[in-house]
Amino acid sequence: EDQVTQSPEALRLQEGESSSLNCSYTVSGLRGLFWYRQDPGKGPEFLFTLYSAGEEKEKERLKATLTKKESFLHITAPKPEDSATYLCAVRPGGSYIPTFGRGTSLIVHP
Amino acid sequence: DSGVTQTPKHLITATGQRVTLRCSPRSGDLSVYWYQQSLDQGLQFLIQYYNGEERAKGNILERFSAQQFPDLHSELNLSSLELGDSALYFCASSVPITGRNTGELFFGEGSRLTVL
Repeated sequence: EDQVTQSPEALRLQEGESSSLNCSYTVSGLRGLFWYRQDPGKGPEFLFTLYSAGEEKEKERLKATLTKKESFLHITAPKPEDSATYLCAVRPGGSYIPTFGRGTSLIVHP
Repeated sequence: DSGVTQTPKHLITATGQRVTLRCSPRSGDLSVYWYQQSLDQGLQFLIQYYNGEERAKGNILERFSAQQFPDLHSELNLSSLELGDSALYFCASSVPITGRNTGELFFGEGSRLTVL
């Protein structure tokens, strides 16, 4: 069974304090690992897709990396507007249905 | 703005009642997914449609049903509602008719259902 575990469940940072969020996964034939951002009461917003180990994607203060067992979302010098829940999802081979993790709730204090 | 439209945004109803949630996918997307999100369960996949046909089923209760119409909009019907059905229901779309299916989902703002 495909599994996605995100850690930590919650993270509080001071503005400018860099950190990383972890997504560990077990999937049959990974066809894509996705990161989404979700603001309270809103729908998830797509951020990145990673397909193979060693791949990296960047967007502003966010950088996503992928290994064979996990993915990291690095947040460099975060700002309060980066506060949100970050969701990781994996798509197994032969399926178009991604399995989502429970997310990491990030709060960045000014 | 993802381009996916969901109505209603909020819905309050009583146990035993029936409701219909509506979703219009992004222009050009052929596939619609329905997810349920509650505090203790996270995002749970319910059902997927592609160009009017059911393609995959997840943890969808028998009291729930869905369909995708020829104009590609979709409806999720929830009947015999129970307190535990209170949740956020999201629709997402993907698979652009003119492009490659890369697997990313584009979510609407959700419909918040409260069952009293």
